[in-house]
Amino acid sequence: EVQLVQSGAEVKKPGESLKISCKGSGYSFTSYWIGWVRQMPGKGLEWMGIIYPGDSDTRYSPSLQGQVTISADKSISTAYLQWNSLKASDTAMYYCARRVVSEEFFDYWGQGTLVTVSS
Amino acid sequence: EIVLTQSPGTLSLSPGERATLSCRASQSVGSNYLAWYQQKPGQAPRLLIYGASSRATGIPDRFSGSGSGTDFTLTISRLEPEDVAVYYCQQYTSSPLTFGGGTKVEIK
Repeated sequence: EVQLVQSGAEVKKPGESLKISCKGSGYSFTSYWIGWVRQMPGKGLEWMGIIYPGDSDTRYSPSLQGQVTISADKSISTAYLQWNSLKASDTAMYYCARRVVSEEFFDYWGQGTLVTVSS
Repeated sequence: EIVLTQSPGTLSLSPGERATLSCRASQSVGSNYLAWYQQKPGQAPRLLIYGASSRATGIPDRFSGSGSGTDFTLTISRLEPEDVAVYYCQQYTSSPLTFGGGTKVEIK
């Protein structure tokens, strides 16, 4: 059974750093791209970027490039989303999702990680 | 960037009625690279439709997708109480991938 299990909710202060995770199981982790999707409170879905764990090839949304870092550790089948300096506007639910092999839609999703940034 | 506009914002229907959700793109979506997702309250999105009209594994046949070019439709043929959710379209013909703003489906 394909599963993406994300790390738990986080409460942080502005300026702090954070790294959340997404662990894949039940499939060949290195053969599928993993994407990250943001959902701000009460809002819709926004694609942030994507990584291919096989070789760490990474693409970012132009609107978010430089604000986050996406990485992966294929030895433990885990992808990451990282911030160096959080802002209140980073408060959101973050989902990881598996992209199908040949096309860029997402067939399996993690349960989401809620990040709250507040002073 | 392709902008997707979904309408209506909210759809309120009785059980058994037909729901028609629209997704309009700011430019042509090549190869019908359009997907639909369902997001129930408090849950992650779930893939319903890809390639504009192909149902994902395990999706009931009351859900169907159609359209091409810039106009796409998700139809729920007979609305059931468990279909209460927000529905999003997503294009994957060009980067960046983009989602529509969503249509909320409610039961009267």
